[in-house]
Amino acid sequence: GAGVSQSPRYKVAKRGQDVALRCDPISGHVSLFWYQQALGQGPEFLTYFQNEAQLDKSGLPSDRFFAERPEGSVSTLKIQRTQQEDSAVYLCASSFGLERDTQYFGPGTRLTVL
Amino acid sequence: AQKVTQAQTEISVVEKEDVTLDCVYETRDTTYYLFWYKQPPSGELVFLIRRNSFDEQNEISGRYSWNFQKSTSSFNFTITASQVVDSAVYFCALTFSGSARQLTFGSGTQLTVLP
Repeated sequence: GAGVSQSPRYKVAKRGQDVALRCDPISGHVSLFWYQQALGQGPEFLTYFQNEAQLDKSGLPSDRFFAERPEGSVSTLKIQRTQQEDSAVYLCASSFGLERDTQYFGPGTRLTVL
Repeated sequence: AQKVTQAQTEISVVEKEDVTLDCVYETRDTTYYLFWYKQPPSGELVFLIRRNSFDEQNEISGRYSWNFQKSTSSFNFTITASQVVDSAVYFCALTFSGSARQLTFGSGTQLTVLP
């Protein structure tokens, strides 16, 4: 594909609602990453997939956050019982999979929890 | 632990001025990779450059140049003859060999180029 795509671009949720954020990586990219970017800060790592395997989820802030990539392509980041502190931009990135490879980012999903 | 420091929170210059964005990093690893990304107001992170720890040659790409110095753990970015379109937030990032390859980002430098 042309680039990493994410949907929706904007999401407003009421506190306590569940949300699902989607990421379509670049075709052929084996690795997929999720990052959280708070306002005025740099992105922070959440989780990492190699194909369908979730190899690192050390950055997920709580057990309300869950990510999956069942067929090794599209990934979904789910946040249950959203809280105001979950408001941020969620960025998805993909790469070919070798450690030296560059990560290419999508446009992000801006989540606002009211 | 890894850490990336971008001490300049905001920089404002007038068009055609040169500007240097500073990046200082910390890592215990001997093999690592450094990156610069640009984040325009649209929000998407745009890749600019990747360097590995064994290659200290400076690099120039058009109006952009990068100065990598292992002795001072710095990877600075210079824009020559800045343009209004260069206005964005610039992030320096680090990843190291053997990690899960996640990027560790600095807090970014907001560059504003005034006409």
